[in-house]
Amino acid sequence: HLQLQESGPRLVKPSETLSLTCSVSGGSISSNSYYWGWIRQPPGKGLEWIGSIYYTGGAYYNPSLKSRVTTSVDTSRNQFSLKLSSVTAADTAMYYCARYSDYDHDFDYWGQGTLVTVSS
Amino acid sequence: QSVLTQPPSASGTPGQRVTISCSGSTSSIGSNYVYWYQQLPRTAPKLLIFRNNLRPSGVPDRFSGSKSGTSASLAISGLRSEDEADYYCAAWDDTVSGPVFGGGTKLTVL
Repeated sequence: HLQLQESGPRLVKPSETLSLTCSVSGGSISSNSYYWGWIRQPPGKGLEWIGSIYYTGGAYYNPSLKSRVTTSVDTSRNQFSLKLSSVTAADTAMYYCARYSDYDHDFDYWGQGTLVTVSS
Repeated sequence: QSVLTQPPSASGTPGQRVTISCSGSTSSIGSNYVYWYQQLPRTAPKLLIFRNNLRPSGVPDRFSGSKSGTSASLAISGLRSEDEADYYCAAWDDTVSGPVFGGGTKLTVL
């Protein structure tokens, strides 16, 4: 049974970089046909896709965030990571990692999410 | 502002059938499959419907999806109290070159 778990600082200062890691268990991050994605949800608001990365490192991002987003994958640790630079209060949100099927184009497994607050 | 448009709220009584709409464009719903996610209070979203009208294993057949043109709908029949949740539609968008979501619909079971 595939499980994903987000980890990282819960409080980030304005203008700094938000960094999160997603640990995958119960399956390999190197599986064909699956990307690994990040989605966020500001308090009381809807879902926003941030970006997705393949185990080989190929990635694509939401154009509205692309200039500030970097993702990476560590197949030896079965983990993938997100960095979002120059954060503001508008980046305060629950951040989810999820598996994305390149065949079905859906997020079929999700982490429980981690709330990141941007505040001085 | 979300790329896909959903009503902010919907409601029904136990046993009723409710529908939630999702409106997109030719570059999203008009050209690609639609997906629905259920988010129970204080939990992560869960895939409910994929490829317009298919249910993952374990999802009751009370939930059904449909698509026509640039719009889609989620129907829930035999409404139950445990269906009270936020529901999000999603689709690939050819302009964004990525997945986009609706703003979500909060379903209340009266």
